[in-house]
Amino acid sequence: GQQLNQSPQSMFIQEGEDVSMNCTSSSIFNTWLWYKQDPGEGPVLLIALYKAGELTSNGRLTAQFGITRKDSFLNISASIPSDVGIYFCAGHNTDKLIFGTGTRLQVFP
Amino acid sequence: GAVVSQHPSWVICKSGTSVKIECRSLDFQATTMFWYRQFPKQSLMLMATSNEGSKATYEQGVEKDKFLINHASLTLSTLTVTSAHPEDSSFYICSALAGQYQETQYFGPGTRLLVL
Repeated sequence: GQQLNQSPQSMFIQEGEDVSMNCTSSSIFNTWLWYKQDPGEGPVLLIALYKAGELTSNGRLTAQFGITRKDSFLNISASIPSDVGIYFCAGHNTDKLIFGTGTRLQVFP
Repeated sequence: GAVVSQHPSWVICKSGTSVKIECRSLDFQATTMFWYRQFPKQSLMLMATSNEGSKATYEQGVEKDKFLINHASLTLSTLTVTSAHPEDSSFYICSALAGQYQETQYFGPGTRLLVL
């Protein structure tokens, strides 16, 4: 099935550092979402973006919906150990979500 | 946010048996639910869209006779893996549409299936 490309694939950072990851697609999406998945759990919604160019924050997280509607980025500021997990972007058209390939984040104290 | 539960969390079964997984929306009604499969270190892949009171819509490559979906009420969808084989071992996750405009999917905690 179709997937969105996320980069980087994995990140290893020190606690307190900022993190940036992005997601690109060959298709246009009407909505972009960012999810976090902990091991053995379902994804949890972090941020939803509904308009091209929209910049939205949720605590230490900031995400933007690209102007072309084909990309999005997620920033995490001042990372903490509980930020560890896999971050997925997802594009939404009509009634389906298409998930990105995921970015695995490791935070070292 | 909306809460979605799944049961069971873990299931181990013998090859050839059938396994039923339940997905429930706990504090809202969901006319549309989705079933995903996730293999280790991979992303979520949509298997089918489950609509209350009608037949499920399956994604290309997903066998509808093997993965039976029933959405008999506004709070419950079930996925039955029939005649399970080891290659069906995976993490199965459901989600439900919620929100004012039914625009957001809320995910269940997942069910890990191991077929021996």
